[in-house]
Amino acid sequence: GNSVTQMEGPVTLSEEAFLTINCTYTATGYPSLFWYVQYPGEGLQLLLKATKADDKGSNKGFEATYRKETTSFHLEKGSVQVSDSAVYFCALSEWNNDMRFGAGTRLTVKP
Amino acid sequence: SAVISQKPSRDICQRGTSLTIQCQVDSQVTMMFWYRQQPGQSLTLIATANQGSEATYESGFVIDKFPISRPNLTFSTLTVSNMSPEDSSIYLCSVSGTSAYEQFFGPGTRLTVL
Repeated sequence: GNSVTQMEGPVTLSEEAFLTINCTYTATGYPSLFWYVQYPGEGLQLLLKATKADDKGSNKGFEATYRKETTSFHLEKGSVQVSDSAVYFCALSEWNNDMRFGAGTRLTVKP
Repeated sequence: SAVISQKPSRDICQRGTSLTIQCQVDSQVTMMFWYRQQPGQSLTLIATANQGSEATYESGFVIDKFPISRPNLTFSTLTVSNMSPEDSSIYLCSVSGTSAYEQFFGPGTRLTVL
C-alpha cells in the first residue's frame, strides 16, 4: 500500500538558516504530493502541492519538487523565520482520496 | 479553498460520557473525512462521511464507538462514545478539494478525557 516516510525531528535552526525536511514515498499509482503545516494549537494548513513528476510546488518561500526517479518530495526554504516554527507533514493522495501522512517533523526556529 | 469550522474547539469530558463534534463547511463538498491525531502523533483516518448513507470506517474504528452523521453536503458530526482517557486526542474534519486529490482541514477539536 501507499506510505510516506519523512525525516525524524525535532529540527532546531537559527533564524535565516537553510531548511530541508526529507520526504520519500511509496505508491502503486501516480499520487499527488503535499506538504501541510500545523502551527501550535491549530489544524493543518495546505502549504504546497505537486501533482505530477517534476512539478515544483511553492508557497511562502517554501518549495518542493516531485521527483519520481527518487520517489521524493523534500521541503526546502532558503531562510527560515521564527514564525515558521511548526510541525510539517508530508502526504500523498490518489484518485480514491486515500490520503497518507508522514509522521510529522517539528521545526523550531530560534532568533 | 473551503472555510471549515468545528465545534467545540476543545472540551474536557468525564470517562464514560459521549461528545458530539460538529463540522460545518461554507460550500457544498463531495467528500468529508474525520481524522484522529493522538498527542505528538500524525493523523489517522477514522472514516469517510458519506452523504445519505452510512460512513465508511477504517480498520480499527467501529460505528458503535464513533457514530458519524452527514445529513447534507455541508455538515457532518462525529460522536466519540463511552469515552476513556485513551480517546484524548485532536479530532479533525477535512473536505475534498476541487483538484489534485487535496484535502482541507478544519481547526480541530481538542478532547481531554479524565
